Amino acid sequence: EFVLTQSPGTLSLSPGERATLSCRASQSVTSSSLAWYQQKPGQAPRLLIYGASSRATGIPDRFSGSGSGTDFTLTISRLEPEDFAVYYCQQYGSSPWTFGQGTKVEIK
Amino acid sequence: EVQLVESGGGLVKPGGSLRLSCAASGFTISNAWLTWVRQAPGKGLEWVGRIKRISDGGTTDYAAPVKGRFIISRDDAENTLYLQMNSLTNEDTGVYYCTESLAYWGQGSLVTVSS
Repeated sequence: EFVLTQSPGTLSLSPGERATLSCRASQSVTSSSLAWYQQKPGQAPRLLIYGASSRATGIPDRFSGSGSGTDFTLTISRLEPEDFAVYYCQQYGSSPWTFGQGTKVEIK
Repeated sequence: EVQLVESGGGLVKPGGSLRLSCAASGFTISNAWLTWVRQAPGKGLEWVGRIKRISDGGTTDYAAPVKGRFIISRDDAENTLYLQMNSLTNEDTGVYYCTESLAYWGQGSLVTVSS
């Protein structure tokens, strides 16, 4: 079974700064089947990135995904106030699908 | 507009059963692989299981913690997904979401297992 490890656990940044979030898989992710989600308190997760680097519909271009194999990155180029949230990666190439434990991006 | 609406959550005693429903609108589920994801209070997301579309065999896969206790089914005619949960334990407490194609999520249904 895939294990996804996200780092750091918490990222403390100011609005306007760049955020770099990491997701490392215990084995190679099939066909770059890696997604990133944003979740705010009391809300369902929102899909940001699928296929490791494709932005979902309506997602601003300050969000970008990269990586392949076992190492993936979500980058937020300039943090907006609404970007402070928890972010999860998920692999959906092999069953069972699995999530990382999440990275919280908080206001410094 | 695509919508997924879960229902059927509530309070249940350990060892009990509960069935969640997920009613879809704005699209036809017969073309979709559908998934259940849960989230324990204050914790991260946990994939529960998935059912493929009938044309892909309609088969199911489950996460290890729920395998043998939970059953995912679909009624394409009613455009509805189900999650039958049996032998519930305290560790099954959380918000249960149904999802389609990664992008579409319901608002979640709270399941509380407690004596």
